[in-house]
Amino acid sequence: DSGVTQTPKHLITATGQRVTLRCSPRSGDLSVYWYQQSLDQGLQFLIQYYNGEERAKGNILERFSAQQFPDLHSELNLSSLELGDSALYFCASSPRLAGGLYNEQFFGPGTRLTVL
Amino acid sequence: GENVGLHLPTLSVQEGDNSIINCAYSNSASDYFIWYKQESGKGPQFIIDIRSNMDKRQGQRVTVLLNKTVKHLSLQIAATQPGDSAVYFCAENRNMRFGAGTRLTVKP
Repeated sequence: DSGVTQTPKHLITATGQRVTLRCSPRSGDLSVYWYQQSLDQGLQFLIQYYNGEERAKGNILERFSAQQFPDLHSELNLSSLELGDSALYFCASSPRLAGGLYNEQFFGPGTRLTVL
Repeated sequence: GENVGLHLPTLSVQEGDNSIINCAYSNSASDYFIWYKQESGKGPQFIIDIRSNMDKRQGQRVTVLLNKTVKHLSLQIAATQPGDSAVYFCAENRNMRFGAGTRLTVKP
C-alpha cells in the first residue's frame, strides 16, 4: 500500500459526459501528479501540482483540468469524454517538486475509466 | 523531443535466471533515474533509483547500471522469481517521462 488513495476504482460513462477523479496523496506529500495509461501504453504525464499550485503540464488535453485543494487532495476533471479517453488514470504523490533529486513518486491504485 | 524509451517490449526468462531490462534516454540534463515495477491491476511501484554521479547501484537482487556516455541504463534482476513478472518502467526526473515499459515474464 503506497498510502495514495484514488476514487472511484472503476468508472463507466458515456461519450460526451464529464467525470471527476479524486486523489488523496500520502500524508505530508505536497506534490501530486496525474498520469494516463492506455492499453499497452506507457504512462503519459498529464499535470503536476505542488502545494496547490500548478507546476508542470504534460500531454493534457484542453478538455481535461485538475486542481489541488488546501488539504492537498487533488481532482482530475475530464469533460466531453470520447471513446479514446478510456484508460487507467493514476495519481502519484511525492514530498518534493519534480526536477529535484530523490523525486520518487508513490502511485495510487488507479481509476479505470471506460467510455462507452 | 526528449524521450525515455525501452529497447524491448517483452522479456521472457526462466525462473532462477538473471534478467536484464534496458532503457535509453535522450535528455543530457537528466540527473536522476528511477525504475518502477507495475504488476497487473496495480500502480507502479518504486524499485531502485540512481543519481547521475553514480554508474552503479545495488539493491536486494536488483542492480541498476547507468552509462551517461551513451545515455543508457539497465535494470538487472538476479535469480528471477515468478513474483518478478510485471511491466518495468524507467523514468527520469526532469520531465516525468516514463519509458513504454518492458513486460517481464518468468517461466517456472
